[in-house]
Amino acid sequence: QKEVEQDPGPLSVPEGAIVSLNCTYSNSAFQYFMWYRQYSRKGPELLMYTYSSGNKEDGRFTAQVDKSSKYISLFIRDSQPSDSATYLCAMSDAGGTSYGKLTFGQGTILTVHP
Amino acid sequence: DTAVSQTPKYLVTQMGNDKSIKCEQNLGHDTMYWYKQDSKKFLKIMFSYNNKELIINETVPNRFSPKSPDKAHLNLHINSLELGDSAVYFCASSLSAGRQFFGPGTRLTVL
Repeated sequence: QKEVEQDPGPLSVPEGAIVSLNCTYSNSAFQYFMWYRQYSRKGPELLMYTYSSGNKEDGRFTAQVDKSSKYISLFIRDSQPSDSATYLCAMSDAGGTSYGKLTFGQGTILTVHP
Repeated sequence: DTAVSQTPKYLVTQMGNDKSIKCEQNLGHDTMYWYKQDSKKFLKIMFSYNNKELIINETVPNRFSPKSPDKAHLNLHINSLELGDSAVYFCASSLSAGRQFFGPGTRLTVL
């Protein structure tokens, strides 16, 4: 079983839809949770960065972390064709011998069609 | 003013050759990383350096040798390339163990 599970999709939605992306994890030591967006043939771009449980909002993006359920989500409101990309969740415990090590989910391929 | 840059962008080579990939960051970060992304887009850490000191060395074949000449640079040298080394290699950097910023990637194809 992988430490971080993410449904690879693909996910196809119409423009303007609300998109929900999710990851589950097994390592209770994870404290930092990130979402990256990766366009085709580009490097991952950091979208959201959260510590511990709770919600964080940035424009059309909302990240949620539920440590008790070991479950994180990314919501995209009013989705646009420019949001079409692969979305990667990543986690870290940021301590000890795992200093800075990010463990990634497999990524979800999202297509927003006009 | 690219934050994290890598060279080359594409690398096509024959099995058995030795090649290097270079990474530079101008963010003033003290920690740098190498990640490998396979054909299924799965990203996995290979190495990390903090202030030029090796911190993380995942179970990577010893044909892969990272070198950090200074805090702004982290190079990856690969000996005796194999078909299975074909992947996209990403460099990243962060301040301590914080937010990581990725480079554009180097697409390595071993024939």
